[in-house]
Amino acid sequence: ETGVTQTPRHLVMGMTNKKSLKCEQHLGHNAMYWYKQSAKKPLELMFVYSLEERVENNSVPSRFSPECPNSSHLFLHLHTLQPEDSALYLCASSQWRSYNEQFFGPGTRLTVL
Amino acid sequence: SQKIEQNSEALNIQEGKTATLTCNYTNYSPAYLQWYRQDPGRGPVFLLLIRENEKEKRKERLKVTFDTTLKQSLFHITASQPADSATYLCALGSTDGLTFGKGTHLIIQP
Repeated sequence: ETGVTQTPRHLVMGMTNKKSLKCEQHLGHNAMYWYKQSAKKPLELMFVYSLEERVENNSVPSRFSPECPNSSHLFLHLHTLQPEDSALYLCASSQWRSYNEQFFGPGTRLTVL
Repeated sequence: SQKIEQNSEALNIQEGKTATLTCNYTNYSPAYLQWYRQDPGRGPVFLLLIRENEKEKRKERLKVTFDTTLKQSLFHITASQPADSATYLCALGSTDGLTFGKGTHLIIQP
């Protein structure tokens, strides 16, 4: 058990739906991340929050919208997604952004029809 | 542009032998490097961190080397076991965070 939980574990949605992914950590970490993992591609960093403020957005399409209401919770709001957005979405946390190991959740397997 | 290459998508090793995984990078000067293990359907799990001023790090049967001149890290698993079968990810670190390689799928055959 890594201490980072994600819900739901699996999600199937249509292109017109709106859904949210949830991530929770109770490790007392100050940084939280959203990654996208597609087959045959490296982990892609989507968003970074440090001390509840967004510090990085790697040119992610606006159909993905993150939210960090407090240091323990992170959301990824999804709307009007495309089939190519189907992937494993991983949440991670670390004590600080650099020189620290990242603890990953189990991921949400997202399928966009 | 930055590029991270991990040797061959899959690596087959006989049980008991040493598995050696390679991570090469270009156009990057990482301050540190990490290795993670990922099992199917699960998130990556941290294994080791090595800093740019360190040559080698060990943890039980694991050993990591870091050569900033060659721009290469080697990850060794000695006395390999079938339970070591997984995908191993190399990640380069800076003050901004981590950049991951695609990973190497290691298969330890009994």
